[in-house]
Amino acid sequence: QSALTQPASVSGSPGQSITISCTGTSSDVGTYNYLSWYQQHPGKAPKLMIYDVSNRPSGVSNRFSGSKSGNTASLTISGLQAEDEADYYCSSYTTSSTLEVFGTGTKVTVL
Amino acid sequence: EVQLVESGGGLVQPGGSLRLSCAASGFNFSSYSMNWVRQSPEKGLEWVSYISGSSGTIYYADSVKGRFTISRDNGKNSVYLQMNSLRAEDTALYYCARDCFSTRCFDYWGQGILVTVSS
Repeated sequence: QSALTQPASVSGSPGQSITISCTGTSSDVGTYNYLSWYQQHPGKAPKLMIYDVSNRPSGVSNRFSGSKSGNTASLTISGLQAEDEADYYCSSYTTSSTLEVFGTGTKVTVL
Repeated sequence: EVQLVESGGGLVQPGGSLRLSCAASGFNFSSYSMNWVRQSPEKGLEWVSYISGSSGTIYYADSVKGRFTISRDNGKNSVYLQMNSLRAEDTALYYCARDCFSTRCFDYWGQGILVTVSS
């Protein structure tokens, strides 16, 4: 099972919006809405930001939103802030021999 | 407050064994499925294993199947990962992660424990 494909890096200025893509296959992203996004700051554990494609857990800023089209999911961060600088990973349920597959990760830089 | 605390990591030689533990608190442990997820600079985040609340359903990643065993003790609010026949590529930071209730995601993570496989 190959990892889901994400861009290695995305950058934006404070206040701007950025979008991170996550591309999978019909065995995972394309068929199931069990798509989640995680934020990871250096030296810290990942934090759940989005689940079921577009749902935010309690306490997560509404500047974070998710969507999906076909085999590609997206995470949009609006009103970019310095604290958003981190690594972001997508994850999907998969019908392959493994249960869950993560994305390759995207480093977000706030310019 | 939900807390997950891993222990048992360290340096082990190739072919050796190690048992990781994850102590949970702050929630009804037996009602939640649990996972182990690992992270290395080479492979990024990689899901390793899943166990349901009753231990009735267990899954493993292909990369560890036949070598790792997940288990839990609901009386002790703990989940374990027995790792045998360890390889250099198993070197990683291992996280214990709680499964989201009624959907698929990981809503709480431990701080991680480092496992290094090297001679």
